[in-house]
Amino acid sequence: AQSVTQLGSHVSVSEGALVLLRCNYSSSVPPYLFWYVQYPNQGLQLLLKYTSAATLVKGINGFEAEFKKSETSFHLTKPSAHMSDAAEYFCAVSLIKAAGNKLTFGGGTRVLVKP
Amino acid sequence: DSGVTQTPKHLITATGQRVTLRCSPRSGDLSVYWYQQSLDQGLQFLIQYYNGEERAKGNILERFSAQQFPDLHSELNLSSLELGDSALYFCASSPKAGVLNEQFFGPGTRLTVL
Repeated sequence: AQSVTQLGSHVSVSEGALVLLRCNYSSSVPPYLFWYVQYPNQGLQLLLKYTSAATLVKGINGFEAEFKKSETSFHLTKPSAHMSDAAEYFCAVSLIKAAGNKLTFGGGTRVLVKP
Repeated sequence: DSGVTQTPKHLITATGQRVTLRCSPRSGDLSVYWYQQSLDQGLQFLIQYYNGEERAKGNILERFSAQQFPDLHSELNLSSLELGDSALYFCASSPKAGVLNEQFFGPGTRLTVL
């Protein structure tokens, strides 16, 4: 079975500072990995996904993530935080050979951006 | 706006009652998914349908059931409601059923069980 762990349920960053959100996965087979963002009172929106091509994945809004198999990690970064980045971020895993398209989510990390 | 619509936005009901949540997928999407988001359990996959057929099942209680109709909209039925069923229920849709298909999420239905 697959699982996802996000380190830190809350992260506070200053505007203009680096955003780093950590995600580690556990999977017995090659995974697909995703980062989603949830703004207040909204549904989830896909930021980026890893599908076994390039290990450095670029997404929307200046975010990127690097897949490191040796560390079973898929950390999300953004060089310079903006006030609009305040939201909750979810890492998710799906199995390549699974029937269907079940996403298993981490617990989420809420990002607060300070002016 | 993802193109996925969910009704109602809010639902308040009492323990023991039964409710139906409705989801309309994006135009052209054949697959729908249901997720539950609660403070206790986080975001959990419940069930996936593809073109009317159940495709994958997650941590869905026996008191819950879902179906996808010929027009591709889906309904999630929750019965014998308990306080712990209070949560945000999301529907998502994707063009097909496989893992490479991006899931587009609706705004959710917030269920409060009193």
